[in-house]
Amino acid sequence: GAGVSQSPSNKVTEKGKDVELRCDPISGHTALYWYRQRLGQGLEFLIYFQGNSAPDKSGLPSDRFSAERTGESVSTLTIQRTQQEDSAVYLCASSLKGGGALHFGNGTRLTVT
Amino acid sequence: GIQVEQSPPDLILQEGANSTLRCNFSDSVNNLQWFHQNPWGQLINLFYIPSGTKQNGRLSATTVATERYSLLYISSSQTTDSGVYFCAVLDGGSQGNLIFGKGTKLSVKP
Repeated sequence: GAGVSQSPSNKVTEKGKDVELRCDPISGHTALYWYRQRLGQGLEFLIYFQGNSAPDKSGLPSDRFSAERTGESVSTLTIQRTQQEDSAVYLCASSLKGGGALHFGNGTRLTVT
Repeated sequence: GIQVEQSPPDLILQEGANSTLRCNFSDSVNNLQWFHQNPWGQLINLFYIPSGTKQNGRLSATTVATERYSLLYISSSQTTDSGVYFCAVLDGGSQGNLIFGKGTKLSVKP
């Protein structure tokens, strides 16, 4: 597809379970970003990948959160031992190069019960 | 870190009216972007505008980097313009940490 694709679009999980969220960036985009948006709030930076450079993990809120990216392709965000406070929309974006214009996917709405 | 403040926080317009949204930032930037989040949550990049003025249809934006602000103009507003407008600037210490303001929530009434 032409845009950033995220899956699943919705995820309901029980507290304590692990979840994995997927992002397919726009083809050819070297930079990939994960953000979190709680209900009615702004966007909170989580992690940034640029080519083969070490990712900027400075926004990950705890060691329960991790992310990987395969080359300049798919990325997965994993949340272990989910907590209710993890409930939010997780947004992925990509850009042609680091610091370029961001293009967002439609997000994954995570609900932890 | 850099602070981003947007004003007003909320704005209600009658269809056809014009409006100006403001974004102030606390430090010099070389990367500023405006986004529109529609009522269904989809985020669209409106402008990549670290300096100068750009126009796209009824929307235009101006960034005065030396004075640390950016303005988004919406002319002849339509109900489809409703949603939240965010500005975001790059954290100086990072290539990827785009710091978002809290947004301006715009409601355009028919």
